[in-house]
Amino acid sequence: GAGVSQSPSNKVTEKGKDVELRCDPISGHTALYWYRQSLGQGLEFLIYFQGNSAPDKSGLPSDRFSAERTGGSVSTLTIQRTQQEDSAVYLCASSLAYGLGTGYNSPLHFGNGTRLTVT
Amino acid sequence: AQSVTQLGSHVSVSEGALVLLRCNYSSSVPPYLFWYVQYPNQGLQLLLKYTTGATLVKGINGFEAEFKKSETSFHLTKPSAHMSDAAEYFCAVSVAGGSYIPTFGRGTSLIVHP
Repeated sequence: GAGVSQSPSNKVTEKGKDVELRCDPISGHTALYWYRQSLGQGLEFLIYFQGNSAPDKSGLPSDRFSAERTGGSVSTLTIQRTQQEDSAVYLCASSLAYGLGTGYNSPLHFGNGTRLTVT
Repeated sequence: AQSVTQLGSHVSVSEGALVLLRCNYSSSVPPYLFWYVQYPNQGLQLLLKYTTGATLVKGINGFEAEFKKSETSFHLTKPSAHMSDAAEYFCAVSVAGGSYIPTFGRGTSLIVHP
């Protein structure tokens, strides 16, 4: 498919367990974003990758959250020792962000998200 | 830093009525503005965007938005609502010279009554 793919689409886990969420961006998109969407809370920015590096990790809510991107493509968001407040939809997006004057107006292409439920 | 305010977390209209979703932004430099739509259990998809040039921007599904610098607004409109327009709508802003991270509003849920 040509779109952003996220897996799994749904994940139910017990409190205290670790989870990994995967994102396959659109081929050729250098920028990749992770957002969290909680009920009635809008979109919360988590982390952004340009290539394999993450210039901005300021949105990660705690040190239990980490993310990596390899080969300028697939990204994994890991949540360790999950808590009930981590329950949300985790959205991944990619865009053609490259160079000054061209990347700022590139729209984001979103996946359908991973719905995480921590019991 | 830029910011976005969407007035009204919920907007309810009758089918066939005008749709108006409000978005105001704050930015010290010329902004790039976007509207996204999110249907249930799906990710966000781009409706339209303003970069430079014509201030009235037309998007998909009959939606349009007008950039008004003097009012720092980018309201989304559609002349006649359809039941299929029921969704969550997000306004977003990014600025040249900043990070590539767009700032999103909290979203407005559009409810369409038959």
